[in-house]
Amino acid sequence: AQSVTQLDSHVSVSEGTPVLLRCNYSSSYSPSLFWYVQHPNKGLQLLLKYTSAATLVKGINGFEAEFKKSETSFHLTKPSAHMSDAAEYFCVVSYNTDKLIFGTGTRLQVFP
Amino acid sequence: DAGVIQSPRHEVTEMGQEVTLRCKPISGHNSLFWYRQTMMRGLELLIYFNNNVPIDDSGMPEDRFSAKMPNASFSTLKIQPSEPRDSAVYFCASSFGDSSGANVLTFGAGSRLTVL
Repeated sequence: AQSVTQLDSHVSVSEGTPVLLRCNYSSSYSPSLFWYVQHPNKGLQLLLKYTSAATLVKGINGFEAEFKKSETSFHLTKPSAHMSDAAEYFCVVSYNTDKLIFGTGTRLQVFP
Repeated sequence: DAGVIQSPRHEVTEMGQEVTLRCKPISGHNSLFWYRQTMMRGLELLIYFNNNVPIDDSGMPEDRFSAKMPNASFSTLKIQPSEPRDSAVYFCASSFGDSSGANVLTFGAGSRLTVL
């Protein structure tokens, strides 16, 4: 079955340190991959997307993700966390349909 | 553009009452999605429309739930009768494009439903 797995339900970092949010997807010939962010009491907002172009994708707010086919991974990173990055992050996969498959989310906490 | 507009933002109702949630997608978008978010189950796709036609309603929990899209600028999600387990945040999202799977969804702010 098509699926996406977010390996950590919670991640805590100190402000100014790197962020790594992990995501693995079930193998497919041509997935589209996304990261969305949800701040408290808000809707989801697109951070970045991968659609078979460059494997390193840059998004908003300094985030980026690298598509690694050999590892079926699409981890989200940021070199230096900011307090405003505290939110829930969703890894999302799609296989040539309008239907998106959402991961269970990773809650990022940023401590001063 | 004002984005995807949902109403009401908050609704508190009693078990057995009818609930209607409304959504206005972004003008020009041709796909519309209804999601439900709970702590226990995360984000669940309930139904989605393409060009006002329901394409996949396999996520609709049961017959108490129904959704309509009478035109390109309006959709409703109705629960009748409502039950406490329907308490959740309901999101509407819209997108434009083909079925390549690369379409970006724009989400509304959500409707928080509490059924007592």
